[in-house]
Amino acid sequence: AQTVTQSQPEMSVQEAETVTLSCTYDTSESNYYLFWYKQPPSRQMILVIRQEAYKQQNATENRFSVNFQKAAKSFSLKISDSQLGDTAMYFCAFMKYSGGGADGLTFGKGTHLIIQP
Amino acid sequence: GAVVSQHPSWVICKSGTSVKIECRSLDFQATTMFWYRQFPKQSLMLMATSNEGSKATYEQGVEKDKFLINHASLTLSTLTVTSAHPEDSSFYICSASNSDPKVFNEQFFGPGTRLTVL
Repeated sequence: AQTVTQSQPEMSVQEAETVTLSCTYDTSESNYYLFWYKQPPSRQMILVIRQEAYKQQNATENRFSVNFQKAAKSFSLKISDSQLGDTAMYFCAFMKYSGGGADGLTFGKGTHLIIQP
Repeated sequence: GAVVSQHPSWVICKSGTSVKIECRSLDFQATTMFWYRQFPKQSLMLMATSNEGSKATYEQGVEKDKFLINHASLTLSTLTVTSAHPEDSSFYICSASNSDPKVFNEQFFGPGTRLTVL
């Protein structure tokens, strides 16, 4: 079984600042995917970014980027030029590779990110 | 594209009754659907994996007789909470995975269903 740990229950930064959310995980799987999901007050889960474990290059999506350290089992999310709309719960999630199909996600406990005007 | 709907969005029922929640993929075929449960201010916990045309696979600790899952078509999965009790009150979220082998099997989430058992 795998575990995902997010050690920051809540973070608060000023608008336009850069913020980094931490995530560590534990698994014995060799092939897997890692994700960051955003859950705003509407509770709709929104995929922010994903990383395939076999790729060494860190994923980037506009203002969002990750620092994936496979040996350390660390997967942090950096949000640049933060905006008020980034205020939400952020969940780190793990999915093992199951040979062609999706598998269930294991989520961390989440980090509540607040962007202050 | 890749829209998943859930119905109802909010349901209140009396203790001892059964409640059915529907999860539909609106614009793609989903071989696999997943059901998650989220308690207030907590994370999502995987309850079960639902594959079209076969029995669902339940996570350890999830009562299969209480949470009945049916995935009768490539666009619909249902979760029935049988003999609901107040402790079953929670937010239930489904996700669906595109069965197209040419695309990454991302999970697309429904908007969730809030269940309150009185």
